[in-house]
Amino acid sequence: DAGVIQSPRHEVTEMGQEVTLRCKPISGHDYLFWYRQTMMRGLELLIYFNNNVPIDDSGMPEDRFSAKMPNASFSTLKIQPSEPRDSAVYFCASSSGTSGRIGEQFFGPGTRLTVL
Amino acid sequence: RKEVEQDPGPFNVPEGATVAFNCTYSNSASQSFFWYRQDCRKEPKLLMSVYSSGNEDGRFTAQLNRASQYISLLIRDSKLSDSATYLCVVRRNDYKLSFGAGTTVTVRA
Repeated sequence: DAGVIQSPRHEVTEMGQEVTLRCKPISGHDYLFWYRQTMMRGLELLIYFNNNVPIDDSGMPEDRFSAKMPNASFSTLKIQPSEPRDSAVYFCASSSGTSGRIGEQFFGPGTRLTVL
Repeated sequence: RKEVEQDPGPFNVPEGATVAFNCTYSNSASQSFFWYRQDCRKEPKLLMSVYSSGNEDGRFTAQLNRASQYISLLIRDSKLSDSATYLCVVRRNDYKLSFGAGTTVTVRA
């Protein structure tokens, strides 16, 4: 059974460019989370969705960041324009609310973003 | 104050040793507790949930002390493959998880 799928795995871009990160959650999971991890700040929740609806985006750092979930099997995180301080590993995770085990999140392999 | 605080380590132990470490959390309304494991340059993976009575999973034992607001993890008979960063994770009454910065464990031959 496929886990959470993220693409691209690595992205190198120049400051000012638009970056789009993609995520396919585990089939049947109704919660999707976007995280960012850096050495300085650790793992931070950016936004999460329930049944494709954004529930809490208080972790989104700025208006340059936006996330969408057009259907149950796909989500995007977009940064426009990108800045060097956005360089980090971005993880997508999903979980099943119906199982009562919200805390058991399954993470994708991450996208390592470098903004030059 | 950070919501979840951990001793960053590193804990450097020989194979076969026992290693234990704690984390503390600040929000007394926290509902659920977990330990995740993260290998270098990999994604976090759930190691175990932590139940209020304490629980064991093979060589791993987790304890929760709600009164003092700390969680512990003990690893017995350490293996080389236990080398990783262990993340203490707390869930409040919403669905958001707060992650500690991690405790690094290195098991040497």
